[in-house]
Amino acid sequence: AQTVTQSQPEMSVQEAETVTLSCTYDTSESDYYLFWYKQPPSRQMILVIRQEAYKQQNATENRFSVNFQKAAKSFSLKISDSQLGDAAMYFCAYRSGTGNQFYFGTGTSLTVIP
Amino acid sequence: EAGVVQSPRYKIIEKKQPVAFWCNPISGHNTLYWYRQNLGQGPELLIRYENEEAVDDSQLPKDRFSAERLKGVDSTLKIQPAELGDSAVYLCASSPRDDVSTDTQYFGPGTRLTVL
Repeated sequence: AQTVTQSQPEMSVQEAETVTLSCTYDTSESDYYLFWYKQPPSRQMILVIRQEAYKQQNATENRFSVNFQKAAKSFSLKISDSQLGDAAMYFCAYRSGTGNQFYFGTGTSLTVIP
Repeated sequence: EAGVVQSPRYKIIEKKQPVAFWCNPISGHNTLYWYRQNLGQGPELLIRYENEEAVDDSQLPKDRFSAERLKGVDSTLKIQPAELGDSAVYLCASSPRDDVSTDTQYFGPGTRLTVL
């Protein structure tokens, strides 16, 4: 079975600084997709960024980028120029290439300090 | 464009009572997901629909949980009877089609269930 591990239950960052959230996963598949979702307090979960395992290039979405290390099964999220609105719970997620399995990590609570 | 709508937003019931949650996905989205999110945990998939067909319900506790998606649009998730351990947030999500190469799941606000 695939598992997703987020070893940092809580993280904090100063406004305008950079923070990296860690995620590791375990799989025997070669074809899969990785995601970072953001869940603000009492609000809806939204997709932050997605990475296809077959792509070597790290995905980037504005201030959000990932460091995808396939051999190490690591998928970290870097948030640059942190803003107060970035404060939320961040979930790393894995989806198998067949689409039949979708797993979330336990989340990292990010606090942005003004 | 309206997002995924869920109701009710909050529900408090006593154990052994039945409860139902309703989800209206984004218009045109063929795939619908129900997740359960326990406090301090990530969401866990309960069931996935493609149109009106349940294509993955392996994690759905079928002794007390049931779901339906008649006509391939709205969906209802039911628990009967509810147990204390069912207290959680139940999330509904939808995506245009079940194609992982382009798939993005859009989540609703969830229903927070408290079983007393």
